[in-house]
Amino acid sequence: AQSVAQPEDQVNVAEGNPLTVKCTYSVSGNPYLFWYVQYPNRGLQFLLKYITGDNLVKGSYGFEAEFNKSQTSFHLKKPSALVSDSALYFCAVRNLSGGYNKLIFGAGTRLAVHP
Amino acid sequence: GAGVSQSPSNKVTEKGKDVELRCDPISGHTALYWYRQSLGQGLEFLIYFQGNSAPDKSGLPSDRFSAERTGGSVSTLTIQRTQQEDSAVYLCASILQPGQGQYEQYFGPGTRLTVT
Repeated sequence: AQSVAQPEDQVNVAEGNPLTVKCTYSVSGNPYLFWYVQYPNRGLQFLLKYITGDNLVKGSYGFEAEFNKSQTSFHLKKPSALVSDSALYFCAVRNLSGGYNKLIFGAGTRLAVHP
Repeated sequence: GAGVSQSPSNKVTEKGKDVELRCDPISGHTALYWYRQSLGQGLEFLIYFQGNSAPDKSGLPSDRFSAERTGGSVSTLTIQRTQQEDSAVYLCASILQPGQGQYEQYFGPGTRLTVT
């Protein structure tokens, strides 16, 4: 069965420091991987995706993620965190079963960036 | 351009009442999804519509939940005889053309349902 794990419920980072939000996945075949961000009382916003090609993908708001096939990981990173990055982050993988384009989401990681 | 819209933004209802939640996807998007997000939880898939194909209802938690999509555009999620455990944020998302290089879903702001 396909699944996504976000091992950290919360990540705390000081403003200006680099941040990493972890994600590991389990799929059969080639994974299609996504990161979404959810600000308070808002819907989810797409950040970036990995479909094929370069393992390092760049997305919105200065975020990037590195696809690592051997470690089945797709960690989200940013070189210098901002207080405004504080939000809930979801990793997702495309569910190929049944031929439908569904996403399976991780449980989410709350990022808190402190001044 | 206009994004996915949902109404109402908040809904408080008494246990046992029926509720209808509405989703307007981005114009021209052929696929539409409903998810449920409970407090402190991730997103739970409910139902998926793609063009004229039969919807994938595999995520609906009980027969009290149903959804329809009229004219390939607007969708309504109906919950009958609401229970307190139905309290959650219900999110709608759409994709332009799944499988045609379009994989990212665009989400609406959600409807926060509270069952008292």
